[in-house]
Amino acid sequence: SQQGEEDPQALSIQEGENATMNCSYKTSINNLQWYRQNSGRGLVHLILIRSNEREKHSGRLRVTLDTSKKSSSLLITASRAADTASYFCATAFSGGGADGLTFGKGTHLIIQP
Amino acid sequence: NAGVMQNPRHLVRRRGQEARLRCSPMKGHSHVYWYRQLPEEGLKFMVYLQKENIIDESGMPKERFSAEFPKEGPSILRIQQVVRGDSAAYFCASSLIRGETQYFGPGTRLLVL
Repeated sequence: SQQGEEDPQALSIQEGENATMNCSYKTSINNLQWYRQNSGRGLVHLILIRSNEREKHSGRLRVTLDTSKKSSSLLITASRAADTASYFCATAFSGGGADGLTFGKGTHLIIQP
Repeated sequence: NAGVMQNPRHLVRRRGQEARLRCSPMKGHSHVYWYRQLPEEGLKFMVYLQKENIIDESGMPKERFSAEFPKEGPSILRIQQVVRGDSAAYFCASSLIRGETQYFGPGTRLLVL
């Protein structure tokens, strides 16, 4: 199984602080994607990082990828109450015959006002 | 631009009935993916389709579940003779290019009584 695993499972911080979430996976990948899911809603795509990239930025988001350790991190800077959500990493397997993304169980992030 | 559309948003069925879930991909997207999410879990890949073809159904249960993506109209995920264990949120995603960013719909929440 190449299931990704997020760490921590839950994170509660004060508004304005930075939030860091980690993701580990098991097999070689083409890319890794981070998604946000608000309670009971669909997933919002945040950022995609390819296997040959090490770091990527998008607004207050910073994603790193270490393929030697098979891990990725998502940093949200200057957190806001609206960032409260579940965050999932999803990997796209690089082998043939597997087109679906593999998701972890997510990190539940709570931003305290 | 309309995103991925799914309907119905909520569906209630009694055991033994059939459930039909519909998904219209983003405009211009010909790659459709179906996922299932159980409570407090990440998404699990079910099937990947292109127009008129099932490409990867490695995550589909062997019985009662089927999917199609006809030349005209939405993709359909069909569950025959539903059981309580089928209760979950079913998400559809689409992509412009195979293996690239997947954009998710709001999901259909199926409840089997």
